[in-house]
Amino acid sequence: QSVLTQPPSASGAPGQTVTISCSGDTSHIDSGFVYWYQQLPGGAPKLVIYMTTKRPSGVPDRFSASKSGTSASLDIRGLRAEDEADYYCASWSTRLSGPVFGGGTKLTVL
Amino acid sequence: EVQLLESGGGLAQPGGSLRLSCVGSGFTFSSYVINWVRQAPGKGLQWVSSITGSGTGPRYAAPVKGRFTVSRDNSKNTVYLQMDRLTADDSALYYCARLSVGGTSDFDTWGQGTLVTVSS
Repeated sequence: QSVLTQPPSASGAPGQTVTISCSGDTSHIDSGFVYWYQQLPGGAPKLVIYMTTKRPSGVPDRFSASKSGTSASLDIRGLRAEDEADYYCASWSTRLSGPVFGGGTKLTVL
Repeated sequence: EVQLLESGGGLAQPGGSLRLSCVGSGFTFSSYVINWVRQAPGKGLQWVSSITGSGTGPRYAAPVKGRFTVSRDNSKNTVYLQMDRLTADDSALYYCARLSVGGTSDFDTWGQGTLVTVSS
């Protein structure tokens, strides 16, 4: 069972906006940054959001994220077929000695 | 090009051992904390272990502490994960991931993973 809680699935039609949520507690999300990783089918995870709201170079500005208290969210605007992937949130735990991950959300582009 | 490449996975019997390797290229290997993250079939990501650039201060997740040992040889640009007393719960795809420098605390580079299967 993952430390951070994500919905197992999400979906949207091309061009729509989808939001993926991530919830935790005061020992991680509320006390630090949130990160989002995209895992395409058969591929390795890839960073799409760091320090809660920042996009690495090369990640489209259709991807945005935010945090409020012990919850965070990833928004993907203008959905494209290539966005179909598993998305994982992550944060650093003040109680553990490393990062904690959500269980992942499988995004389907209809 | 910055790359990480894992190897050493395979089939091990319960109670057995395996040693994984992670070779880095395209960057100053000794400057980076390297982590191991695993993913059981059809499951999510789980952090396993980390080691600093100098090889000090190894850290472990609770499920593997006392059974796994992380080390590195910067002359070979390689981090190792020695896995002992393996159980079926250790079956997973094991990724090594580089922790970015500059205080952003993200995993900015991942390998493609090496598959570990523990079964009799």
